[in-house]
Amino acid sequence: NAGVTQTPKFRVLKTGQSMTLLCAQDMNHEYMYWYRQDPGMGLRLIHYSVGEGTTAKGEVPDGYNVSRLKKQNFLLGLESAAPSQTSVYFCASCYGGSTDTQYFGPGTRLTVL
Amino acid sequence: AQSVTQLGSHVSVSEGALVLLRCNYSSSVPPYLFWYVQYPNQGLQLLLKYTSAATLVKGINGFEAEFKKSETSFHLTKPSAHMSDAAEYFCAVSADTDKLIFGTGTRLQVFP
Repeated sequence: NAGVTQTPKFRVLKTGQSMTLLCAQDMNHEYMYWYRQDPGMGLRLIHYSVGEGTTAKGEVPDGYNVSRLKKQNFLLGLESAAPSQTSVYFCASCYGGSTDTQYFGPGTRLTVL
Repeated sequence: AQSVTQLGSHVSVSEGALVLLRCNYSSSVPPYLFWYVQYPNQGLQLLLKYTSAATLVKGINGFEAEFKKSETSFHLTKPSAHMSDAAEYFCAVSADTDKLIFGTGTRLQVFP
């Protein structure tokens, strides 16, 4: 039982490049979330999903896209990376929405030059 | 709209001293409240959560929090700090049925 895993752990991009971050969970959770963590700003929700095939915008969705084609996977895409997207990205999942404990992955540290 | 405020971005205590991390919330409906902890270079993990069953909630590692509706607070305490408690702590409130709103975090330092 691996819990929530994130790939890759580190990445450096040049401005304008694209990439996809993968989140996988093996707990059969319905809900999955992508957050970014920046110093002094806590965790901010980028996008989330309430089940396979669904996605919804969070607090800071601009510049990101997501897909949830399979229940266990939640992909976060950056089509044209900008330095402002330099951050640590966390994926989380849970079964029952906002009343339930969220389980977090170890994070992806992204630097955009 | 729901929101959460953590007072103090940094808190320093001596080993063995009381730990008090403050969290105030705003919610138009009865809230679910959480405290998460983040150790260096790791993801967040749940310390404890309030789900309206009891106002005093006990969590892992000796932490507890008390829900005070009149003060809209959910402060986190631990009677005696340990060096291993050094971490960043996040308070969160349920925003709706689907997601949480996290505070900006409080970094706890513990000095020997």
